[in-house]
Amino acid sequence: NAGVTQTPKFQVLKTGQSMTLQCAQDMNHNSMYWYRQDPGMGLRLIYYSASEGTTDKGEVPNGYNVSRLNKREFSLRLESAAPSQTSVYFCASYYQGQPQHFGDGTRLSIL
Amino acid sequence: GESVGLHLPTLSVQEGDNSIINCAYSNSASDYFIWYKQESGKGPQFIIDIRSNMDKRQGQRVTVLLNKTVKHLSLQIAATQPGDSAVYFCAENTGGFKTIFGAGTRLFVKA
Repeated sequence: NAGVTQTPKFQVLKTGQSMTLQCAQDMNHNSMYWYRQDPGMGLRLIYYSASEGTTDKGEVPNGYNVSRLNKREFSLRLESAAPSQTSVYFCASYYQGQPQHFGDGTRLSIL
Repeated sequence: GESVGLHLPTLSVQEGDNSIINCAYSNSASDYFIWYKQESGKGPQFIIDIRSNMDKRQGQRVTVLLNKTVKHLSLQIAATQPGDSAVYFCAENTGGFKTIFGAGTRLFVKA
């Protein structure tokens, strides 16, 4: 039982490049989330998907897009990467009323 | 906006001592609280949770206390071990799809 799996684990991009971060969960949870974690700050919600077929903006959605591909998979896309998007990105899945389960993160550097 | 915060950013304890990590929350409507542990290079890991109809909940070597009067949450770790060294952060949920996370306290355990 892998829980929440994120790929890649590390990535370096140049400003203006695009990429997609992948996330998959095997817990049959309805809800999935993308957060970013910056030094000295709590996790900030980028986008979430309450259920398959729906997505909603979180606290810091600018510069990102998401796709809920199916119940298992939720991807995060950076269309034109900027240095301000250098961060650690975490995906989480959730069943209402229970704690969220997190992946081990993608460490993204944008030069 | 409403937020979850921590009193102490860094806590250093001697191995074998008890640790207490504190958290303040501001949303009186929050009814579910979670403590997470995050080790270097890993995603947040669920430790223990408590609902607003409880004041105290115990797990294995960990206890969470909730004081709704002053909107305060604490995590107590008994007989702290080197493996407990990590960042600990609290989170609050109002029963919906969004969870608010604190910035975290780094716990150092001295051998």
